Amino acid sequence: QVQLKESGPGLVQPSQTLSLTCTVSGLSLTSNSVSWIRQPPGKGLEWMGVIWSNGGTDYNSAIKSRLSISRDTSKSQVFLKMNSLQTEDTAMYFCARTGVYYGLFRYWGQGVMVTVSS
Amino acid sequence: DTVLTQSPALAVSPGERVTISCRASESVSTLMHWYQQKPGQQPKLLIYLASHLESGVPARFSGSGSGTDFTLTIDPVEADDTATYYCQQSWNDLTFGSGTKLEIK
Repeated sequence: QVQLKESGPGLVQPSQTLSLTCTVSGLSLTSNSVSWIRQPPGKGLEWMGVIWSNGGTDYNSAIKSRLSISRDTSKSQVFLKMNSLQTEDTAMYFCARTGVYYGLFRYWGQGVMVTVSS
Repeated sequence: DTVLTQSPALAVSPGERVTISCRASESVSTLMHWYQQKPGQQPKLLIYLASHLESGVPARFSGSGSGTDFTLTIDPVEADDTATYYCQQSWNDLTFGSGTKLEIK
């Protein structure tokens, strides 16, 4: 079955770079797309960006300048890198399979909590 | 960006019918999807393309709408439906509504 699992550091210092990994199973990244979505504590969901099955990327314009999404198809992994972290970047970070035609999220990881604090 | 507006919270009794609305700042055709999120869990897809019930989701859930106005209906509501419900559009980039917290009295 399809599974996604996020991993990364739980604590990041302000101004530093966040690096997260989403490891997928049950699907191939060469024919499936994956998004990163985050949720600050007690708040709503924010789509951050997507890496499409063809390797192209799209980003939320609000954070585009700080964000990079890449992948390693041989390891079935998708990576998120976001620089210049601030306390408002504290959130649960999810990866989710993204439908190419309709842009919906059918499969989600359980999420990884990231706290930005010194 | 396309902004999706949802009412913040609703409270209903078990057995009642509840409608949760989502209004888009511009037309999104029928590229609207609904998710349920319970505390401490990842969101779960309920309805896609405005009105299509996701496999395994109870038929108590239904969706309708097109253009800018969309509705998620739960009928009848059960205690287990306590959750926050999000709409999401995929017509213009990908954006979520702010969520509607549903309380079952």
